Amino acid sequence: GAVVSQHPSRVICKSGTSVKIECRSLDFQATTMFWYRQFPKQSLMLMATSNEGSKATYEQGVEKDKFLINHASLTLSTLTVTSAHPEDSSFYICSPGPMNTEAFFGQGTRLTVV
Amino acid sequence: AQSVTQLDSQVPVFEEAPVELRCNYSSSVSVYLFWYVQYPNQGLQLLLKYLSGSTLVKGINGFEAEFNKSQTSFHLRKPSVHISDTAEYFCAVSDGQNFVFGPGTRLSVLP
Repeated sequence: GAVVSQHPSRVICKSGTSVKIECRSLDFQATTMFWYRQFPKQSLMLMATSNEGSKATYEQGVEKDKFLINHASLTLSTLTVTSAHPEDSSFYICSPGPMNTEAFFGQGTRLTVV
Repeated sequence: AQSVTQLDSQVPVFEEAPVELRCNYSSSVSVYLFWYVQYPNQGLQLLLKYLSGSTLVKGINGFEAEFNKSQTSFHLRKPSVHISDTAEYFCAVSDGQNFVFGPGTRLSVLP
């Protein structure tokens, strides 16, 4: 299966600061990257889909100016949470695509905003 | 559009007992079916998947699942669980492009 590296695994930041999460597809050329958010005891919710060389598409209700996504190459996509607030505290997971018959996931990033 | 239902949010079971985690789906097109496991603060790991062929699918860690088209179900089973199976389990469907995850079932294996 595809090897996906996501970091940091954990980050604590102060309210108002920005945090960048990186997701690398180590052995797979990912033309798309799916970014999920997971609240405690809940399922994964798709936030946005980044596309290499073009703008990301966001799911309804997700603020594109708050969650900046960059997909500069076929192996790297980043999610930046800007002006973070405590309600942004969550578990963020990336998954490279296209998915076809299986999805692979990064290890996830636990973001805590204090 | 697809949707996935996992009727049991939590399933406690004693060690070495059998377990079944239920999953039902709805879709207007043919789908692929998956079960993923998530340990605390980690990403998702594939347990097994059904793409086509035999409706009984065997996966890692002794798990298996059976695809039942008439009942639109894909229940996950294990004949004898271990403490280490304690985790969150997600059923998912895909039409080949989009993945939809169920709400998850928390399996707690008790000593």
